[in-house]
Amino acid sequence: QKEVEQDPGPLSVPEGAIVSLNCTYSNSAFQYFMWYRQYSRKGPELLMYTYSSGNKEDGRFTAQVDKSSKYISLFIRDSQPSDSATYLCAMSRSGGSNYKLTFGKGTLLTVNP
Amino acid sequence: DGGITQSPKYLFRKEGQNVTLSCEQNLNHDAMYWYRQDPGQGLRLIYYSQIVNDFQKGDIAEGYSVSREKKESFPLTVTSAQKNPTAFYLCASQGGGVGPNGYTFGSGTRLTVV
Repeated sequence: QKEVEQDPGPLSVPEGAIVSLNCTYSNSAFQYFMWYRQYSRKGPELLMYTYSSGNKEDGRFTAQVDKSSKYISLFIRDSQPSDSATYLCAMSRSGGSNYKLTFGKGTLLTVNP
Repeated sequence: DGGITQSPKYLFRKEGQNVTLSCEQNLNHDAMYWYRQDPGQGLRLIYYSQIVNDFQKGDIAEGYSVSREKKESFPLTVTSAQKNPTAFYLCASQGGGVGPNGYTFGSGTRLTVV
């Protein structure tokens, strides 16, 4: 079993839809849970991160972590064509300096105008 | 502006050749990483370095080599021993920020074997 599983999609939605992206993981030592957005032929950029369990909201984006189920989600409200990108979940054991990230495969999202 | 610079953006390699990908950062970060990204595969760790003159293998180090002679630079050499080198290569650095905020990616190098 891979440490992090993510459905690669692709996922296509109309503009204004609510998008739900998720990942599951097997390593209970993960403490930091990140969502990266990657546009085509660019490096990933950090969208949000959550420490341990709980929810975090930033504008149209909400990240949720359920450590008991080893399940994380990213919700995008009122999706826009500019949200079209690949979304990668990532996790790490610690948040200090010099740590490694474990990534999911990424989900390709297209928001149609 | 502070950041990570990867060069070149596109690179073509003939069979049997070694090629070196450049990664430079001016963020004063201690740790640097190289990832490989294939379609539908996410990012996989090749090598990482936590301090100058020291580096460790990641999950897929075979066929690659690195050096860390300066804090700012972490070049990756793709050797002829790497049987399937065509991929998108990403360099990252980490330090200074709490948790993931201190982790920064470059814009990548796309390597193609011709």
